[in-house]
Amino acid sequence: SQELEQSPQSLIVQEGKNLTINCTSSKTLYGLYWYKQKYGEGLIFLMMLQKGGEEKSHEKITAKLDEKKQQSSLHITASQPSHAGIYLCGADSTSGSRLTFGEGTQLTVNP
Amino acid sequence: DSGVTQTPKHLITATGQRVTLRCSPRSGDLSVYWYQQSLDQGLQFLIQYYNGEERAKGNILERFSAQQFPDLHSELNLSSLELGDSALYFCASSVGQGAIYGYTFGSGTRLTVV
Repeated sequence: SQELEQSPQSLIVQEGKNLTINCTSSKTLYGLYWYKQKYGEGLIFLMMLQKGGEEKSHEKITAKLDEKKQQSSLHITASQPSHAGIYLCGADSTSGSRLTFGEGTQLTVNP
Repeated sequence: DSGVTQTPKHLITATGQRVTLRCSPRSGDLSVYWYQQSLDQGLQFLIQYYNGEERAKGNILERFSAQQFPDLHSELNLSSLELGDSALYFCASSVGQGAIYGYTFGSGTRLTVV
């Protein structure tokens, strides 16, 4: 079965700093999703990547999928307290029947 | 509002009891997925239905069952509840199956077993 490893597990940054979260898969990624979750709340869709080398941006968040499609990174530029939360990467199975998630990265942004 | 509706939002029940969680998918979505999120296990896939038929099973206990009805809403039934079943239960929906369609999550049902 596919496994996703996220790093770091937690991150504390000062407001205005840039940061990167990584998601590494044990197998080729056919669809990689990034979600954000406030503690105890629902998952908010951020971005989906499918093609090797693909890069997408939304506001100050950029996500990339490497050429070999086994690693993705999420980069936040000039972080704000509103970026705080848990970031989860999820990988689609080859059959498209489920998402397998990483353990999540807890982000704290101090004002 | 994601368009995926889960009820109830919170549920507190005693060990040994049975509960039913409900999910209404986003309009037009045929697939429904159930996930369990606990502190020690993270977000785990339980089961998927597509247009009323079970399509995939994950780490779902035998005490748990689900179904998808003709109007496409889904219910997750949890029985003989144990303390360890306390978790957030999420429902997600998708137009079809697979990455190209995307997955939309509901806000979850928080189950507390006391």
